[in-house]
Amino acid sequence: DAKTTQPTSMDCAEGRAANLPCNHSTISGNEYVYWYRQIHSQGPQYIIHGLKNNETNEMASLIITEDRKSSTLILPHATLRDTAVYYCIVLPRGGAQKLVFGQGTRLTINP
Amino acid sequence: KAGVTQTPRYLIKTRGQQVTLSCSPISGHRSVSWYQQTPGQGLQFLFEYFSETQRNKGNFPGRFSGRQFSNSRSEMNVSTLELGDSALYLCASSPFQVSGANVLTFGAGSRLTVL
Repeated sequence: DAKTTQPTSMDCAEGRAANLPCNHSTISGNEYVYWYRQIHSQGPQYIIHGLKNNETNEMASLIITEDRKSSTLILPHATLRDTAVYYCIVLPRGGAQKLVFGQGTRLTINP
Repeated sequence: KAGVTQTPRYLIKTRGQQVTLSCSPISGHRSVSWYQQTPGQGLQFLFEYFSETQRNKGNFPGRFSGRQFSNSRSEMNVSTLELGDSALYLCASSPFQVSGANVLTFGAGSRLTVL
């Protein structure tokens, strides 16, 4: 499975857009990009996923570069409750449900 | 619909004992996977079950085992507990689609403390 690289930590002001980058330069054609987040001591929460096209849901937007080697998760109007560790994960379609969590990005939303 | 339910939420054991954790997946989800989370090692994959069969296993000793029942409920067992087994144990379920994306839904976890 492709490995991902994320910044260790980021800060964002409340009400602003939070842009979290992820590098997955070894991604293959049948692999999805997934984003999860984990708020302290809770189970990880699914945010969004994509294959080639940009995606948007009620929580966030996912922008995938044309070569698919990197992506950006956008939280459009960050709130204090968005403070969490964000994980970018790559997994093949139909593949085993074996998520490989890296260190993730610790996002802190400041008032 | 009900989420993934893990029991117990908290438990304390002593070294050498064994423990069984339970996971009830979302109705209709056939894949159940288990993860261990510790401050030092982060989130690590333990194993995954699908249709009562273990499909994948992580790099954990044989003291860690699991099973899945015909109703997709799953249990994991840790025998001869060691201090280092203290962790948050997370269960996740997914519908498992062969040709599409598979979103995992996680439970709240079982926090095990070994004294």
